[in-house]
Amino acid sequence: DSGVTQTPKHLITATGQRVTLRCSPRSGDLSVYWYQQSLDQGLQFLIHYYNGEERAKGNILERFSAQQFPDLHSELNLSSLELGDSALYFCASSVTSGVAGELFFGEGSRLTVL
Amino acid sequence: QQQVKQSPQSLIVQKGGISIINCAYENTAFDYFPWYQQFPGKGPALLIAIRPDVSEKKEGRFTISFNKSAKQFSLHIMDSQPGDSATYFCAAVESNFGNEKLTFGTGTRLTIIP
Repeated sequence: DSGVTQTPKHLITATGQRVTLRCSPRSGDLSVYWYQQSLDQGLQFLIHYYNGEERAKGNILERFSAQQFPDLHSELNLSSLELGDSALYFCASSVTSGVAGELFFGEGSRLTVL
Repeated sequence: QQQVKQSPQSLIVQKGGISIINCAYENTAFDYFPWYQQFPGKGPALLIAIRPDVSEKKEGRFTISFNKSAKQFSLHIMDSQPGDSATYFCAAVESNFGNEKLTFGTGTRLTIIP
């Protein structure tokens, strides 16, 4: 158990809908990262927050947004969903603002868009 | 654009054999190279990591070999066991004034057969 909690574990929704994925980092970790994992693209970095502040953006679509709250949990909002958004979404946390330390991943949220 | 190229996509090795996974990169700004291991239904977990100032790092049956001039690095699993069956991701980190970004390879699905 990595100590990172992600909810929901599974989510099935329709095209055009909006969903929110939630992540609780390990106790004491200030950084939260979001990754998208699909079969053909591997692990794609979406966004990084450190202590409530956005630190880096990767290949995150404009339809997607995220935030980190004062209690350090994070939410990833996906809107106007398309079939191609079906994937596993991972949250990871670390103590520092950099990734040179270890990233601890949650078990992911599997999103299926029908 | 895949910044970290990983091969093979899948690998089958007999129990007791050596598993070898290779990665290559172009970005000379990468300065930290971790490997993550992912079991089905779980998030990736850090396995072993190396900095480019050393050519080899060994932890138990797992060894990273690093060739800075060729911009290549590889993971060797000695005496491979069925419990090593998992997906392995190489990764590379570019430090950017505290905003490090972790880029993953596409993954190798390793299967160890008895």
